[in-house]
Amino acid sequence: AQSVTQLGSHVSVSEGALVLLRCNYSSSVPPYLFWYVQYPNQGLQLLLKYTSAATLVKGINGFEAEFKKSETSFHLTKPSAHMSDAAEYFCAVSVATSGSRLTFGEGTQLTVNP
Amino acid sequence: DAGVTQSPTHLIKTRGQQVTLRCSPKSGHDTVSWYQQALGQGPQFIFQYYEEEERQRGNFPDRFSGHQFPNYSSELNVNALLLGDSALYLCASSLLTQGWNTEAFFGQGTRLTVV
Repeated sequence: AQSVTQLGSHVSVSEGALVLLRCNYSSSVPPYLFWYVQYPNQGLQLLLKYTSAATLVKGINGFEAEFKKSETSFHLTKPSAHMSDAAEYFCAVSVATSGSRLTFGEGTQLTVNP
Repeated sequence: DAGVTQSPTHLIKTRGQQVTLRCSPKSGHDTVSWYQQALGQGPQFIFQYYEEEERQRGNFPDRFSGHQFPNYSSELNVNALLLGDSALYLCASSLLTQGWNTEAFFGQGTRLTVV
């Protein structure tokens, strides 16, 4: 079975500062990795995904993530935070044998301070 | 394209009752998955439907059942509701032929409160 651990349930940054949200995964087979964002009272929106092509993945809204197999990590970054980035972020994993079934982490609440 | 639509948006039920939640997938999608998201937690996979059959199931009791219709829409039924069933229920659709790593599109969810 696969799993995801998100380090830090709450992260607070200043507007314009670097955003770093951490995600480590566990999988016995090559994983597919995803980052989703959830705004209050809304569903999940895909930010980016890793599917065994380039290890540095660029997503929407200026976010990117790097797949590091040796560290089993898939951290999400954004060079400069914007107030509109405040939301809950979820890292998720799936594998070919599980179909499109996603296993999510517990989430990280990002606060952006003016 | 309306994307994934779920109904109702909010629902209040009493313990022991039964509830049905509905989901219409994104146009062109053939696979529907259901997730339960308790407050402050990540979504948990309930089950997935493809070609009107349950293809995968997560660690949920038989009180949770579902159905997929020929037009790919889906229902989630929960019997004998417990207080612990209170959560946001998310529906996600995808297109199986695009591969297992295809993007899943999520609806806005149905907020179920059991009192």
